[in-house]
Formats: sequence, C-alpha cells, structure tokens
Amino acid sequence: NAGVMQNPRHLVRRRGQEARLRCSPMKGHSHVYWYRQLPEEGLKFMVYLQKENIIDESGMPKERFSAEFPKEGPSILRIQQVVRGDSAAYFCASSPTKAHDQPQHFGDGTRLSIL
Amino acid sequence: AQKITQTQPGMFVQEKEAVTLDCTYDTSDPSYGLFWYKQPSSGEMIFLIYQGSYDQQNATEGRYSLNFQKARKSANLVISASQLGDSAMYFCAMREGGATNKLIFGTGTLLAVQP
Repeated sequence: NAGVMQNPRHLVRRRGQEARLRCSPMKGHSHVYWYRQLPEEGLKFMVYLQKENIIDESGMPKERFSAEFPKEGPSILRIQQVVRGDSAAYFCASSPTKAHDQPQHFGDGTRLSIL
Repeated sequence: AQKITQTQPGMFVQEKEAVTLDCTYDTSDPSYGLFWYKQPSSGEMIFLIYQGSYDQQNATEGRYSLNFQKARKSANLVISASQLGDSAMYFCAMREGGATNKLIFGTGTLLAVQP
C-alpha cells in the first residue's frame, strides 16, 4: 500500500496519559499535515511540517500538543496529559510539493478516545 | 478571512440521477485551489477533484465535475448517475497560495443515495 499510513487506527487513553500518533507519508512526499475532526464537524488544520521543520503550527493548541517530522521515520503528533476534549479523529495528509494545486492525500485517521 | 460554506447539511438523491452539492468560499488571495473530498462511513478521506483559481475550464473526473463560478465564489460538485456507493459525507476545501499550505474545510454535506 503506497498511501499515507497512520497508526494506530484506534487509540484509547485515560485522562492524564500521553498519546502518540504516527504518520508515514506517501513515498516521495516531503510535506505532512495534521488535521483534527471532532464529531459531526469538518476537519480543522493543526500543523504543517516539511522534513525536520515546522512550517505552520497556527492550528495547534498552545499547550500539551507537539509535532515532529524527523529526517528518518514517521511524523509524530504527541498529546501530553490528554483530556476528554482531545477525543477526536486525527488525520494526517501528505503532498509532494507545497504547490497549491497539489491535492493532499489523507491517511485513514487515528480515532482517539479518552476515558 | 478564508472561509468555506456548505449550506446543505444533508441531501437525498435517487440512484442514477445527478446531484449538485453546493460550496461557496471567501478569500482575498487571487491564487487558490479548491478541492472536494468524500468521507464514507468507514471514515477515510478520499480526494475527488481539484479546481485552480486560474483554470479556464471546469474540472472533471469521471462522474464528478466541478461547476466553478469565480465571480460568485462558488465551486459546486456535480455527481452524475448517482450510485449507492456515493452515499457519504462530502467536504469542500480551499487552499490559498503563498506560504501557508493548509486546507480550510467546510462543514460537509451528507449525501444519501436511495435505490
């Protein structure tokens, strides 16, 4: 499968724990985006990364959330000390360039549930 | 500010008929791209079609076409010959040119295709 790979597909955490969500972009894609989808809502942009660099994090909450895209390995979205309001579907997308005519290809998402 | 508006929360269509899903947008950037994504009940986001702000012709991809009216800032999705498998949420999204590369999504339209 050459698409965007996200894991895990489902993640359950207790309040106060840490959640780590992984995303491997499509082969040849160096631009990665994270979005969050709350129930019954559209996707909201969180962060845009290009290998080892955060380009735009205007949608990231100021505390507890961080993202990285190391030179080797997948992109990681990390949520520390999770709260009930973090329950959502988290989608990763990738594109080969930053050109605005390039579609972003999405993974299947990680459904995060906080108990 | 950039904004995408989808005014139809839900729609019904008979199998084999055509359906139009509405999308209007607001941006002050002359360079932008418009995208439609499909989200079936299984949750993944599937890219359908793209329209660039400078494209002279309406985009088409198989049974999907985009009715792009730039002066009215609308980018409606037309699905011809609806199939039962078209039942899903449909999201309109916009990406502006420039440094930012994020997609702004509408709230979606839930399409139900009836036999």
